[in-house]
Amino acid sequence: KAGVTQTPRYLIKTRGQQVTLSCSPISGHRSVSWYQQTPGQGLQFLFEYFSETQRNKGNFPGRFSGRQFSNSRSEMNVSTLELGDSALYLCASSLIITGNTGELFFGEGSRLTVL
Amino acid sequence: QQQVKQSPQSLIVQKGGISIINCAYENTAFDYFPWYQQFPGKGPALLIAIRPDVSEKKEGRFTISFNKSAKQFSLHIMDSQPGDSATYFCAASRSNFGNEKLTFGTGTRLTIIP
Repeated sequence: KAGVTQTPRYLIKTRGQQVTLSCSPISGHRSVSWYQQTPGQGLQFLFEYFSETQRNKGNFPGRFSGRQFSNSRSEMNVSTLELGDSALYLCASSLIITGNTGELFFGEGSRLTVL
Repeated sequence: QQQVKQSPQSLIVQKGGISIINCAYENTAFDYFPWYQQFPGKGPALLIAIRPDVSEKKEGRFTISFNKSAKQFSLHIMDSQPGDSATYFCAASRSNFGNEKLTFGTGTRLTIIP
């Protein structure tokens, strides 16, 4: 069974640009979450999608957005990039069972560097 | 507001020793407490998890101890091996539908020396 796939793995952007990251969840998983990982802040929750609907959103500015497609694949977008957006962006998928937290399976991440 | 506090930030343990990492949480609504292990260049992977209806869970060399009244939980790695060298994150969440997002601790970099 293929794991969570994230693309691209590495990218470099300059301030003011925008970026789109992609995530393909494990087959059958309908929940996709995004986390930002930085040395200073650790793992911070960005948002979570389930069946194409955003169910949860973390404390990030509106420059951070996402969506989920009917095949459960997800994208996140960051507009007007700032130096502080440099981070490892992790996608995780989960088989949500009502009333029972499912295990999060993480991808290897997309490392974004903003110059 | 950091809702899960993790310590220590880094830990060096001799091979064969016991590694202990501690976490404390604030939100009493949390009812799912996983530990994740992350190797360099990889995403975090679930190691072991516990729910508050038990005080301890053991899987191989890894044990979670849970103290509901103190709102604390810890990871014990017995007979620590060099291959256990990684960053460990505790986390917490609510398990009711729609609230499964994880709140992570800040991580502990564990180094096992021969």
